[in-house]
Amino acid sequence: KQEVTQIPAALSVPEGENLVLNCSFTDSAIYNLQWFRQDPGKGLTSLLLIQSSQREQTSGRLNASLDKSSGRSTLYIAASQPGDSATYLCAVFTGTASKLTFGTGTRLQVTL
Amino acid sequence: DGGITQSPKYLFRKEGQNVTLSCEQNLNHDAMYWYRQDPGQGLRLIYYSQIVNDFQKGDIAEGYSVSREKKESFPLTVTSAQKNPTAFYLCASRLMTSSYNSPLHFGNGTRLTVT
Repeated sequence: KQEVTQIPAALSVPEGENLVLNCSFTDSAIYNLQWFRQDPGKGLTSLLLIQSSQREQTSGRLNASLDKSSGRSTLYIAASQPGDSATYLCAVFTGTASKLTFGTGTRLQVTL
Repeated sequence: DGGITQSPKYLFRKEGQNVTLSCEQNLNHDAMYWYRQDPGQGLRLIYYSQIVNDFQKGDIAEGYSVSREKKESFPLTVTSAQKNPTAFYLCASRLMTSSYNSPLHFGNGTRLTVT
């Protein structure tokens, strides 16, 4: 059974700092990995999708990497801003069941 | 604008009553999903559907039912058999592609409180 872990569970950084969020998964037979952002009381917004054949994806200040063989992904946020404060979740798409397995998220706070 | 609409945003029910949560999408997506989110836990899959008139149980389907009579609609019924129904429910959809490069899109959720 696929399990997804995100460390740390919470993180507080001053504005302007670069930061890395971590995601690990137990079954490397994935089709893709997605990073999402969730604001309090809201749904999830897709940030980046990395297919299993790719090593990284970039969007603006965000860069996600994937090392499928070791079961790890990182989300790098450059020059963090208070508006980046949210919970970040990763999810892996596996198997014939056509479903994503989610981590429990990292709650990020960027302070002024 | 295309998107997923979940209604209502907040729902209150008495224990023992069935309740139906609405999910509508105008993205022309094939697959639709229902997830439940509880504090401190990851999202857990309740049901999903890849085509009209077909759906499969997810990891926590007991006490829930769904239908998929139209491509754009995937309502979820929380029955009285669900032991802990109070939660945040999220509907999602995805375009099914052979290259698995289509992201999952989410609605804004329905917060259900059962007392």
